[in-house]
Amino acid sequence: DQQVKQNSPSLSVQEGRISILNCDYTNSMFDYFLWYKKYPAEGPTFLISISSIKDKNEDGRFTVFLNKSAKHLSLHIVPSQPGDSAVYFCAASEVNRDDKIIFGKGTRLHILP
Amino acid sequence: DTEVTQTPKHLVMGMTNKKSLKCEQHMGHRAMYWYKQKAKKPPELMFVYSYEKLSINESVPSRFSPECPNSSLLNLHLHALQPEDSALYLCASSQDGAGPYNEQFFGPGTRLTVL
Repeated sequence: DQQVKQNSPSLSVQEGRISILNCDYTNSMFDYFLWYKKYPAEGPTFLISISSIKDKNEDGRFTVFLNKSAKHLSLHIVPSQPGDSAVYFCAASEVNRDDKIIFGKGTRLHILP
Repeated sequence: DTEVTQTPKHLVMGMTNKKSLKCEQHMGHRAMYWYKQKAKKPPELMFVYSYEKLSINESVPSRFSPECPNSSLLNLHLHALQPEDSALYLCASSQDGAGPYNEQFFGPGTRLTVL
């Protein structure tokens, strides 16, 4: 049973436009959410996180929105740049629960010139 | 120093070999992790060392055994592996195993091939 779902395996966005990556979760006990970016043959790189006490966290071109009632979060990248082409993993954890982070299956983002 | 290092970068081994993967961080992090990642799949958590306490994903076979000699080092000992164990093995660390600072910093990974 998938607790963290990224239903879009891939997404193509024109350079300069906004990229929106979506993530849904089923475990209402999750209280911390993270986004990772991964290039081929490299380890995932932490991008941005959000605690369940917030509904928005912004860091430069990256903003994560959390809708707890819908159990949904999204990552907005604006403006999208060619270097943003990568696989993006959504992840969630329960603080104080065995230090485990549950990853989604990832969404491959293609930034088109 | 804000990185996690892993050695070797690549490893090819036979099914009867014994080898070890090494991971090191000097960020003072108190939690370290081993993940296995197959192509086009997200990383799967294998082991967590947090404040010297080991947590194990019960689906990980006993041919993988972690060792934490000190808070900066995490080894993964490999013995009698199978070809399906070929994957990218990622090490990560975090400042605090629990709490709001759970961002994990990943190493570059070791690409393991079992023949």
